[in-house]
Amino acid sequence: ETGVTQTPRHLVMGMTNKKSLKCEQHLGHNAMYWYKQSAKKPLELMFVYNFKEQTENNSVPSRFSPECPNSSHLFLHLHTLQPEDSALYLCASSQEETDTGELFFGEGSRLTVL
Amino acid sequence: QKEVEQNSGPLSVPEGAIASLNCTYSDRVSQSFFWYRQYSGKSPELIMSIYSNGDKEDGRFTAQLNKASQYVSLLIRDSQPSDSATYLCAVMRGGNNRKLIWGLGTSLAVNP
Repeated sequence: ETGVTQTPRHLVMGMTNKKSLKCEQHLGHNAMYWYKQSAKKPLELMFVYNFKEQTENNSVPSRFSPECPNSSHLFLHLHTLQPEDSALYLCASSQEETDTGELFFGEGSRLTVL
Repeated sequence: QKEVEQNSGPLSVPEGAIASLNCTYSDRVSQSFFWYRQYSGKSPELIMSIYSNGDKEDGRFTAQLNKASQYVSLLIRDSQPSDSATYLCAVMRGGNNRKLIWGLGTSLAVNP
């Protein structure tokens, strides 16, 4: 248990579906992140939220829409995805954005887009 | 050239041996360096961080940093089968463009 919980752990969706990934952290951290992990590629940072404010969006397609209602919860809304979006989506948290090297990851949501 | 480079492996060592994992980086102003362990089907877990030149020891793990040569390594003494995993090197860029840059990881197999 890392203190970061992600649901669902596995998700299969069609290209026309809308779904959401959820992340909750119980560590009292102020920064939360979405990462994408694909085979043969390094971890890709998608979004960063610091004190509920989005501080980074790494040119992520608009079919991925993040939401951070408070410092403990983070969502990733998915719609009209493509098969190449199939990957492991990892949520992470850190004390604050300034020490982004020390991240606590959730177990990930394995997404398959058909 | 990748910003953070690691040999993908697999690196295979016998149980009880020292496993040596290496990572090189290209940004000279990088300031902080991290090693994460990722078991198959699991998420990355931070095992070591190092911020200044030299060695940092934590149990069976030693991180070594040489900023002049732009490399950071992780030594695992008395390797155990439970150390078999992928080890990810991450480097925090310095300056005005701070960002955590990840390597592809080195797969380590410790054979009983």
